[in-house]
Amino acid sequence: SYVLTQPPSVSVAPGQTARITCGGDFIGSKSVHWYQQKPGQAPVMVLYADSDRPSGIPERFSGSNSGNTATLTISRVEAGDEADYYCQVWDAITYHYVFGAGTKVTVL
Amino acid sequence: EVQLLESGGGLVQPGGSLRLSCAASGFTFSAYTLTWVRQAPGKGLEWVSAISGSGDDTYYADSVKGRFTMSRDKSKNTVYLHMNSLRADDTAVYYCARPEIAKECFDSWGQGTLVTVSS
Repeated sequence: SYVLTQPPSVSVAPGQTARITCGGDFIGSKSVHWYQQKPGQAPVMVLYADSDRPSGIPERFSGSNSGNTATLTISRVEAGDEADYYCQVWDAITYHYVFGAGTKVTVL
Repeated sequence: EVQLLESGGGLVQPGGSLRLSCAASGFTFSAYTLTWVRQAPGKGLEWVSAISGSGDDTYYADSVKGRFTMSRDKSKNTVYLHMNSLRADDTAVYYCARPEIAKECFDSWGQGTLVTVSS
């Protein structure tokens, strides 16, 4: 089955840039989606199709995807961005939805 | 407004059964695949199952295949997750989530329902 690899944690100072990676075999050929989850809440999609933002998501959230790595970038990080972030793809071979293990973003 | 409202969670003994429900509103029910995603305490998200808009096709994660069955009732705009032979590692918050058509990303989530498997 397809596996997505994320770093367990990323720490960043307010106002700086956080980059969260999501690794997978030839992930650049897939459409990658990203979710933010705060404690006690359901996940919220922050990016879809590698780099598109749903309505209401700030422009500070951006994404890229090439080769074996997709990246979620959070610019001008704010305290409210502290959360767990998950990448996700759809595996068309198995018709399974696949999540990465998640990355905890801590704002220092 | 899209709404997904889960119910049916609770405490169940190992080996027992439980049925979760997800009542959907705010969209054309039969047009959308619906899924269940779970999250064990302190752990990440795990996709569990999916059912096509027609209900003709179902898909399951290897961890639940043969034990869980997903169904839908178009007269009630509700999907179900029938869980049998429950194990301690099935303990989790179960979310109902809707994949966006042709994009396969989850644009809507319910609030979740907690299933605890313990003696």
